[in-house]
Amino acid sequence: DTEVTQTPKHLVMGMTNKKSLKCEQHMGHRAMYWYKQKAKKPPELMFVYSYEKLSINESVPSRFSPECPNSSLLNLHLHALQPEDSALYLCASSQDWPKANYGYTFGSGTRLTVV
Amino acid sequence: DQQVKQNSPSLSVQEGRISILNCDYTNSMFDYFLWYKKYPAEGPTFLISISSIKDKNEDGRFTVFLNKSAKHLSLHIVPSQPGDSAVYFCAAKEAGNQFYFGTGTSLTVIP
Repeated sequence: DTEVTQTPKHLVMGMTNKKSLKCEQHMGHRAMYWYKQKAKKPPELMFVYSYEKLSINESVPSRFSPECPNSSLLNLHLHALQPEDSALYLCASSQDWPKANYGYTFGSGTRLTVV
Repeated sequence: DQQVKQNSPSLSVQEGRISILNCDYTNSMFDYFLWYKKYPAEGPTFLISISSIKDKNEDGRFTVFLNKSAKHLSLHIVPSQPGDSAVYFCAAKEAGNQFYFGTGTSLTVIP
């Protein structure tokens, strides 16, 4: 299995909703990432988990809450989001952090719309 | 300020000709570089890499060139095929740090 699987593919949520994005990989990778990508912009790093521990939080607002229940799963819990949080959310994994000399394996993303 | 820039948002090339995608970076500490390819509705997939100790890396039809003095990276695809039509991202990192991505170049290969 050489894939990163993200669910759901599309999500529309209101500003008072609570929802979660899920990411799964079975490649034995020990590092997992959440990225946010807006149209015509590069992916921006949000969080890095290494060996199931949060290693990097790029000053992300607390309305985004990551969770790594085990080495294969990464969740992103969403609460009280704003319309400007609408974006493509990409999950990625790599063999390790921060070396990652083979790059990251990305999922296909969750297209989030906040209304 | 963006540390990795792809100044051409799009490129069109005839099938069989060479495609050249360019990438510039500002951080002289970057020592590892990647190109990713992205099809619509899919995540980016790793294409080819190069470390700063080399100036060229080749994999089949794909060659990456690194000019450290100019802080410039390029991807050559020869010959270009319609299946190469996708968005190409370059990414760069320094040791112990995250990858920084460019904004992407959309390549269209015309049959």
